[in-house]
Amino acid sequence: AQTVTQSQPEMSVQEAETVTLSCTYDTSESNYYLFWYKQPPSRQMILVIRQEAYKQQNATENRFSVNFQKAAKSFSLKISDSQLGDTAMYFCAFMKLLSVIQGAQKLVFGQGTRLTINP
Amino acid sequence: DSGVTQTPKHLITATGQRVTLRCSPRSGDLSVYWYQQSLDQGLQFLIQYYNGEERAKGNILERFSAQQFPDLHSELNLSSLELGDSALYFCASSARGGQLGDTIYFGEGSWLTVV
Repeated sequence: AQTVTQSQPEMSVQEAETVTLSCTYDTSESNYYLFWYKQPPSRQMILVIRQEAYKQQNATENRFSVNFQKAAKSFSLKISDSQLGDTAMYFCAFMKLLSVIQGAQKLVFGQGTRLTINP
Repeated sequence: DSGVTQTPKHLITATGQRVTLRCSPRSGDLSVYWYQQSLDQGLQFLIQYYNGEERAKGNILERFSAQQFPDLHSELNLSSLELGDSALYFCASSARGGQLGDTIYFGEGSWLTVV
C-alpha cells in the first residue's frame, strides 16, 4: 500500500527565511505524480506544486520548489523568501491510479506539517 | 477560488440524523471526489465519481452514500450520524478521471458537527 510520511509535525521560521518541508513515500509503481497542497486557517485545500515522477527536473512555482529524489522516494518542498501568508498546514500527497480501465484514482495524503511564519 | 462550490459551509446536527452535502465541480470537470478530514484520521478518500458513474471507493461507511447527477453536481448523504462523523468534508474535481496526473482541485469544505 502506498504511504506518505511527513516527519515534521510543526515548523516555525522568520519571515523572509527559507524553509524546507520533508516528505517521503512508499510505492512500487514506476509512474506516479506527487503534489503539495497547503491548507491555511480558512481550511481550503490549495494546490501548491506538482511533480511527475518520470521527469527528472524538479518542479518550480515562483517561491516554491521541490527536491524530488526518486530513488530515495523523497519529495521535499522548499519555500524561499517566506511570507506571513505562507502560514498554513502543508500536505504532501501521492496520486494513485486505482484502475486504468475504470478510470479510478485517488490522492493519498501525509499527516501534514504545520508551518508558521513569524514576523 | 478553485471553482469547486460546496454547500452548506457549516452544519450542526444531532446524532441519528441525516444530512446531505452538495458539490458543484469546476466548469467542465467530469470527476468528483469526496474526502473526509478529521483530527484523528487526517484526510481520507471516500469516493470518486466520473461522469455520473462511481469509479472508486475508499473508506466510506455504509451509512454514507453519494451520487453524481447528469449536470455533474454531486451529493454526499450521511445518515444515522454519530459523534465521530464530525469532520470537514471536502469535495474535489478534476477534468477527466483516471488520467494519471490530473490535478485535483478542492472546494472550501463543509464543516459538519454532530452533537
